[in-house]
Amino acid sequence: GQNIDQPTEMTATEGAIVQINCTYQTSGFNGLFWYQQHAGEAPTFLSYNVLDGLEEKGRFSSFLSRSKGYSYLLLKELQMKDSASYLCAVSDSNYQLIWGAGTKLIIKP
Amino acid sequence: DGGITQSPKYLFRKEGQNVTLSCEQNLNHDAMYWYRQDPGQGLRLIYYSQIVNDFQKGDIAEGYSVSREKKESFPLTVTSAQKNPTAFYLCASSANRDPGTGELFFGEGSRLTVL
Repeated sequence: GQNIDQPTEMTATEGAIVQINCTYQTSGFNGLFWYQQHAGEAPTFLSYNVLDGLEEKGRFSSFLSRSKGYSYLLLKELQMKDSASYLCAVSDSNYQLIWGAGTKLIIKP
Repeated sequence: DGGITQSPKYLFRKEGQNVTLSCEQNLNHDAMYWYRQDPGQGLRLIYYSQIVNDFQKGDIAEGYSVSREKKESFPLTVTSAQKNPTAFYLCASSANRDPGTGELFFGEGSRLTVL
């Protein structure tokens, strides 16, 4: 079957760095997406990785290793507004998205 | 501003009633999607439409129906046949035909509670 695993919840301190991991087992792979979702709001796109390596976008970076079925989202200089759920989604062989359950990130002052 | 608008944001329904959730987009996107979000689970695809007057069932279509008469609009009806309809419903659109080929733009969501 197809499976996406993410930690359910993480806690970090304002100003620190946090890494949110995502492992996947899917039928085919056509890229991995990260979305941010504040409570009760719409998910918003953060990043897309299809090749191995690190993609940096401001305070956020996303890493992919296709051979390991692994990705992480790295958030630097954490701010209170980064408190949200982070959703990992993999595009399978049919370009359909398989979604993880999301990681709720709590930022403490 | 371009975007996706869902309404209503909150909806209460009695068992046995059908309800329709509205989704309108002005992004000129061909593809539109309906997802269901439940606590502790990933988003699950209900229905999707890649072009006007055409739509396909997703993974959990039973108890739901849709229409796509206009490019801008993709309403979802939750019928009385849906056994567990209480959930957060998200509408999305994309410029690409398949959801896994590009960014999805989501509406603010509609929270349906069955009393």
